[in-house]
Amino acid sequence: SQQGEEDPQALSIQEGENATMNCSYKTSINNLQWYRQNSGRGLVHLILIRSNEREKHSGRLRVTLDTSKKSSSLLITASRAADTASYFCATDAGTNAGKSTFGDGTTLTVKP
Amino acid sequence: EAEVAQSPRYKITEKSQAVAFWCDPISGHATLYWYRQILGQGPELLVQFQDESVVDDSQLPKDRFSAERLKGVDSTLKIQPAELGDSAMYLCASSLDLPHSNEQFFGPGTRLTVL
Repeated sequence: SQQGEEDPQALSIQEGENATMNCSYKTSINNLQWYRQNSGRGLVHLILIRSNEREKHSGRLRVTLDTSKKSSSLLITASRAADTASYFCATDAGTNAGKSTFGDGTTLTVKP
Repeated sequence: EAEVAQSPRYKITEKSQAVAFWCDPISGHATLYWYRQILGQGPELLVQFQDESVVDDSQLPKDRFSAERLKGVDSTLKIQPAELGDSAMYLCASSLDLPHSNEQFFGPGTRLTVL
């Protein structure tokens, strides 16, 4: 069963525009992570936000967390063609240390 | 930079045959994960090891799947017999045991096609 659900399922934008992806989850969490996956490859960790944090930045990435709404968003600013990938949120509910449950992802296409 | 190694990268087999995948985690990472990812979906945890011990295998189809990590380092995932529905990407990941942080490092995956 998937804990996180990403929205939208697919997103297509022009290079230079911002991309926003959302993740909703069902149970309380210890932390939430975002990963990127290029086609046919493994996942790459982008950023982790803990349950007591509301916002984190890393380069062109900005992640927010609203525990009252059980949701998170990932913003990629000034997108590039190289940002084309699938993006997954993963939640750690704390019931099993180290276990993360992944959503089905948002597929982002950035057109040059 | 240290990476998680997996082999083979691609495997084509016929149903009812046995297949095995190998994973070598990043040195020093005590936790190792095997995931199955069906096209268009997110990774689903099959089994999680802490050193050589299984921590979670609740989603592992134990009638046909087995996993081992005998010396707490590299790991093998086996399917016997393979079924058509097993066609998927099999991902291995590893992580350090840090409090409040379970960042996982993924290998490139093994793409399995069952004919």
